[in-house]
Amino acid sequence: EDKVVQSPLSLVVHEGDTVTLNCSYEVTNFRSLLWYKQEKKAPTFLFMLTSSGIEKKSGRLSSILDKKELFSILNITATQTGDSAVYLCAVGVLDGSARQLTFGSGTQLTVLP
Amino acid sequence: SQTIHQWPATLVQPVGSPLSLECTVEGTSNPNLYWYRQAAGRGLQLLFYSVGIGQISSEVPQNLSASRPQDRQFILSSKKLLLSDSGFYLCAWSGSGASQQFFGPGTRLTVL
Repeated sequence: EDKVVQSPLSLVVHEGDTVTLNCSYEVTNFRSLLWYKQEKKAPTFLFMLTSSGIEKKSGRLSSILDKKELFSILNITATQTGDSAVYLCAVGVLDGSARQLTFGSGTQLTVLP
Repeated sequence: SQTIHQWPATLVQPVGSPLSLECTVEGTSNPNLYWYRQAAGRGLQLLFYSVGIGQISSEVPQNLSASRPQDRQFILSSKKLLLSDSGFYLCAWSGSGASQQFFGPGTRLTVL
């Protein structure tokens, strides 16, 4: 059975801190790893990673994938209160003609002023 | 550009009542469509996905069903709701063969 594990489950930091969120996986037919940010409603897309060792960056957020050790990290530098959200990791697998996503349970990040 | 709609946004239903949640996508053709459920404090559980009209794959046996009567319409139904059906239901779409999925605003269902 495909499995995606995120850690920590929750994290409380102060504005300006740097955080690292972890995602490990065990899946068959791996195609990609995706990070989403979920505030109150729909998850919004952050990054998709398919190759090991290539960092993806968007502003203060960055992410990297290690396909040998089967994990990814999401870094957020100089955190702001607007970064407070649940961060979801999902692994894309190929099942027939559909690309499916298997989600982890998420990391709840709270950034205090 | 593509947009995805879900309704209703919130729903409170008694145990044993029927359910119909609707999802529509605009601005794309032949999308893959997905229904997820998210319990409080948990990740997303895939319920159904569809790669075309009338083609439904079920991931979790339960009292829910899905249908795709049109290319860009996906419906989640139940004949009799259970308490355990409460949760946040999300519809998503992706391009055919693509991993990245885009989510609708969700429906928060409470079964009393």
